[in-house]
Amino acid sequence: AQTVTQSQPEMSVQEAETVTLSCTYDTSESDYYLFWYKQPPSRQMILVIRQEAYKQQNATENRFSVNFQKAAKSFSLKISDSQLGDAAMYFCALGNAGGTSYGKLTFGQGTILTVHP
Amino acid sequence: NAGVTQTPKFRVLKTGQSMTLLCAQDMNHEYMYWYRQDPGMGLRLIHYSVGEGTTAKGEVPDGYNVSRLKKQNFLLGLESAAPSQTSVYFCASSGRAYNEQFFGPGTRLTVL
Repeated sequence: AQTVTQSQPEMSVQEAETVTLSCTYDTSESDYYLFWYKQPPSRQMILVIRQEAYKQQNATENRFSVNFQKAAKSFSLKISDSQLGDAAMYFCALGNAGGTSYGKLTFGQGTILTVHP
Repeated sequence: NAGVTQTPKFRVLKTGQSMTLLCAQDMNHEYMYWYRQDPGMGLRLIHYSVGEGTTAKGEVPDGYNVSRLKKQNFLLGLESAAPSQTSVYFCASSGRAYNEQFFGPGTRLTVL
C-alpha cells in the first residue's frame, strides 16, 4: 500500500514572504506522479502543480515550485511572494501511472496555510 | 463548460435513510472517482470507474454502492445511512489514468 504524509497540520506566512510545505510518500512503483492541490474555504479542489517521477527537473508554476527528491521520497511545495489568496488547505497526492492503478490517488492529511497581511 | 457538477450540495439524513449523490461531467472523461473528506484524514477513495458500465472498490467502500450507466454520470448511493457517513463527498474525473483529476464542488452530508 502506498502512503502520503504531511507532517505539518498548520503553517503560517507573512504576505510577500516564502513558505515551504512538506510532503513525504511511500510507494513500490517506479512510474508515478505527484500533485499538490489547493482547497480554499469555498471547498473547491484546485490543482496547483504536478510532477512526473521520471522527470528530474522540478516543476514550476508561476510562484509555486516543488522540490522533488526521489531517493528521499520527498515532495515539498514552495510558495514565493505569498498572497492573501494563497490561504487554504493544501493536499499532497500520489498516483501510479501504470497497470491497474487506474489513476487512483492517495492523499495526505492536508496542511492549513494561513497568510498574515 | 460546466466541468464536474454534483447534486445536491448539502443534505441532512436520519440514520437508516437512503439517498443518491449524482456526479456529472461534460469533458468526455473515462475515469471517475468518489472520495470522502474527513477532518485530519485527507481525501479517501470510496469507489471508482474506468468507463461506462464499470465500477470498482476503493479504499473505503463499505456502506456505499455506485453505478455508471452513462459515461458522463457517476452515482453514489447510501442504502442505509449511518452517522459515520457524515462527511464531505467529492466526485472527480480524469481523461487518462495519469492525468489531473478535476473535482466537483463537493456535497456536505450530515447523518443524524
